[in-house]
Amino acid sequence: GAGVSQSPSNKVTEKGKDVELRCDPISGHTALYWYRQSLGQGLEFLIYFQGNSAPDKSGLPSDRFSAERTGGSVSTLTIQRTQQEDSAVYLCASSPSSGGVVETQYFGPGTRLLVL
Amino acid sequence: AQSVTQLGSHVSVSEGALVLLRCNYSSSVPPYLFWYVQYPNQGLQLLLKYTSAATLVKGINGFEAEFKKSETSFHLTKPSAHMSDAAEYFCAVRKGSNYQLIWGAGTKLIIKP
Repeated sequence: GAGVSQSPSNKVTEKGKDVELRCDPISGHTALYWYRQSLGQGLEFLIYFQGNSAPDKSGLPSDRFSAERTGGSVSTLTIQRTQQEDSAVYLCASSPSSGGVVETQYFGPGTRLLVL
Repeated sequence: AQSVTQLGSHVSVSEGALVLLRCNYSSSVPPYLFWYVQYPNQGLQLLLKYTSAATLVKGINGFEAEFKKSETSFHLTKPSAHMSDAAEYFCAVRKGSNYQLIWGAGTKLIIKP
């Protein structure tokens, strides 16, 4: 079956512009996660969705970052007024649920964002 | 607070040699530990995970990892490296009773012919 997909795969933008990154999770997966991977660093948690709600937004680095999820499926991560330090690979993952069991998170290929 | 340390940002081994990628964690509660692999231009893929059922965990592609509580380690090994193992490997620990994963910085495995 289809895995997690993300679009665009690459995005180049100018400083100060807004960008939207999209994630399509595996069908039926209720949990969705966004991570950021900067060069030479591990993954940094951004936000977690259970269904359409986001019980944990603790990882969003500033109020320029926001995310939503509609219909319990597709999620969009929006970065407003992009800065050069926002340049990174943004990864999305999904899992069947987060009912307290140790679930595998399935990752998409990521969106590589470059802010000039 | 939980954290993960991966020793060596790059590890180089010859084809056929033993692969050893090190991961040490700190956790105030019994941890759940994961190894993920990222092949070039691909998404992260789960290699294996420790969930307290057995200390020696076998994963895909011939990899395994041993949980050693006394050493707070979860090192990843493979007896014989293949060229196809060249990738970046990430160790992660689950944050307490939460779903959130805390990640190491990654180790890039280079295989020499």
